Amino acid sequence: ELKVEQNPLFLSMQEGKNYTIYCNYSTTSDRLYWYRQDPGKSLESLFVLLSNGAVKQEGRLMASLDTKARLSTLHITAAVHDLSATYFCAVDMHWGDNQFYFGTGTSLTVIP
Amino acid sequence: KAGVTQTPRYLIKTRGQQVTLSCSPISGHRSVSWYQQTPGQGLQFLFEYFSETQRNKGNFPGRFSGRQFSNSRSEMNVSTLELGDSALYLCASSSSGGAKLSYNEQFFGPGTRLTVL
Repeated sequence: ELKVEQNPLFLSMQEGKNYTIYCNYSTTSDRLYWYRQDPGKSLESLFVLLSNGAVKQEGRLMASLDTKARLSTLHITAAVHDLSATYFCAVDMHWGDNQFYFGTGTSLTVIP
Repeated sequence: KAGVTQTPRYLIKTRGQQVTLSCSPISGHRSVSWYQQTPGQGLQFLFEYFSETQRNKGNFPGRFSGRQFSNSRSEMNVSTLELGDSALYLCASSSSGGAKLSYNEQFFGPGTRLTVL
């Protein structure tokens, strides 16, 4: 079974600082998804990474994918309070297969 | 375009009872997947339905079942509820790739919070 690990599980950072969340997965896959979840809310899609070396950026968030290392990173630049949420990475094994394997999630708190 | 809707949003049941949750996907989407989210186990895949057929199934006991109707709406049923079934149940809607996407794009509903007492 595909295993997806994220670290750290909890992250408390000051506004204006930079940090990186890591997502490792155990089986070959060319598709990596990042989601955001606010407390009591559903999952919001952030990025879809489709190939080795893929990099996507949206505002203060930048995601990258290294399929050879089976590693994705979500980099936060100059954090602001609005980024406080739980971030999940997810992997699927087959195109057309809507079975996602989610990481444990990283709970991010940005402190003013 | 309306998003994914789930009903009810909150549910309280007692052990041994059964429960049915409903999910209406985005118009035109034929795939509905169900996930269970708990603090201890995280997000786990339950099953996926596509065109009224179960296409994938996660590692859950037979007490968890589902079905999909011809209008793509899906229901999930849990029989003989246990305390450990308390969770947020999320459904996700997908067009299932189609010819234009090279990835599986899933849109999640707001979830049903099930509490088992």
